[in-house]
Amino acid sequence: QSVLTQPPSVSGAPGQRVTISCTGSSSNIGAGYDVHWYQQLPGTAPKLLIYSNNNRPSGVPDRFSGSKSGTSASLAITGLQAEDEADYYCQSYDSSLSASYVFGAGTKVTVL
Amino acid sequence: EVQLVQSGAEVKAPGESLKISCKASGYSFTTYWIGWVRQMPGTGLEWMGIIYPGDSDTRYSPSFQGQVTISADKSISTAYLQWSSLKVSDTAMYFCARRYTTSSGYCFDSWGQGTLVTVSS
Repeated sequence: QSVLTQPPSVSGAPGQRVTISCTGSSSNIGAGYDVHWYQQLPGTAPKLLIYSNNNRPSGVPDRFSGSKSGTSASLAITGLQAEDEADYYCQSYDSSLSASYVFGAGTKVTVL
Repeated sequence: EVQLVQSGAEVKAPGESLKISCKASGYSFTTYWIGWVRQMPGTGLEWMGIIYPGDSDTRYSPSFQGQVTISADKSISTAYLQWSSLKVSDTAMYFCARRYTTSSGYCFDSWGQGTLVTVSS
């Protein structure tokens, strides 16, 4: 059971907007720790997609955006494209678990 | 360019030992923490532990403490993950990743390609 809670799956048609939620608690997201998002394409390593809640590394399209409020965060994908079909994971830091780096269980995005 | 290159896939029998590697290049190896992440078949990412190659300070997730050993050789910019006695349940993909410090926390900004470990009798 993951410390951060994500929906198992979301789907959308090409061009649509989808959002993925990530819910934590007062010892991680609610404690003020940053939330980061990773994209894992099938058969590949995870790739940092959003860091520090809403920042994109160089090369990440601006179709991807992040936000954080209270004990939750969200990843939004606007103008959904076929190549966005992947697993997405949120990650934060938790001060209550031996200083752990915690991940959500992942959300599968399907492009219809 | 930051690169983490991991050793190749392994097939082992239960009870055997194993050490996999993660060679870093393109940055100062001794000034960034390197973490290890497990991904069991069809499941998500689990943080296992992390090491600071500069002084070999190592931290483990409670779930993996005593089950694996993380080490590093700064002379060859390589981090390691090892098992003394593998179990079938250790079958998974293992990733190394460089930790990056953000304004209020940490992320993993560069990842190795992964090492698939299969434990089967």
